[in-house]
Amino acid sequence: GDSVTQMEGPVTLSEEAFLTINCTYTATGYPSLFWYVQYPGEGLQLLLKATKADDKGSNKGFEATYRKETTSFHLEKGSVQVSDSAVYFCALISIQGAQKLVFGQGTRLTINP
Amino acid sequence: EAGVAQSPRYKIIEKRQSVAFWCNPISGHATLYWYQQILGQGPKLLIQFQNNGVVDDSQLPKDRFSAERLKGVDSTLKIQPAKLEDSAVYLCASSLPTGGYEKLFFGSGTQLSVL
Repeated sequence: GDSVTQMEGPVTLSEEAFLTINCTYTATGYPSLFWYVQYPGEGLQLLLKATKADDKGSNKGFEATYRKETTSFHLEKGSVQVSDSAVYFCALISIQGAQKLVFGQGTRLTINP
Repeated sequence: EAGVAQSPRYKIIEKRQSVAFWCNPISGHATLYWYQQILGQGPKLLIQFQNNGVVDDSQLPKDRFSAERLKGVDSTLKIQPAKLEDSAVYLCASSLPTGGYEKLFFGSGTQLSVL
């Protein structure tokens, strides 16, 4: 079935560092792709999305580009802040059978001042 | 706008006991989801409701898990009897029928520990 694989965590960076969290997927066809973020003590919330190849999703300084040739949707930010500390989940909408959201395992990010 | 409310926030039980979780979705959201998030894994869909009807429960372990959504608003997820492997965070989410997954709002979850 469809699946999402994220880079191993946890990831620890210093403030203002460049961030990349890798995400690759296996799916039939061209699913929609998402990044969700879970701040401490809060519910998951949508960070950004892309619905077709070469689309770039962006929000709060984060970006991710839908690359069908490499089946990837890597999350990037040029200069991270302490407030970006959270768990980040890559996800896709499976188009096999009933549509459902399939998540990666999550990557915990900690930013030190 | 109030968010998705879940209770309790934490629950500790012994194996073979029963437990129930409650979810109150955002007002007007007809679609409600229950997810299971085991430590170190992403959330996995257990059941999806549209109003008070079940849309997808293919990944719900029906021998021990049950869920209902009376009157198409609040929902309850029950585990009876619980097993050690049920230790997880149980997330509730809701959306408008037209918004789908792109307009999905999650609650903070109920963390269950089965001893």
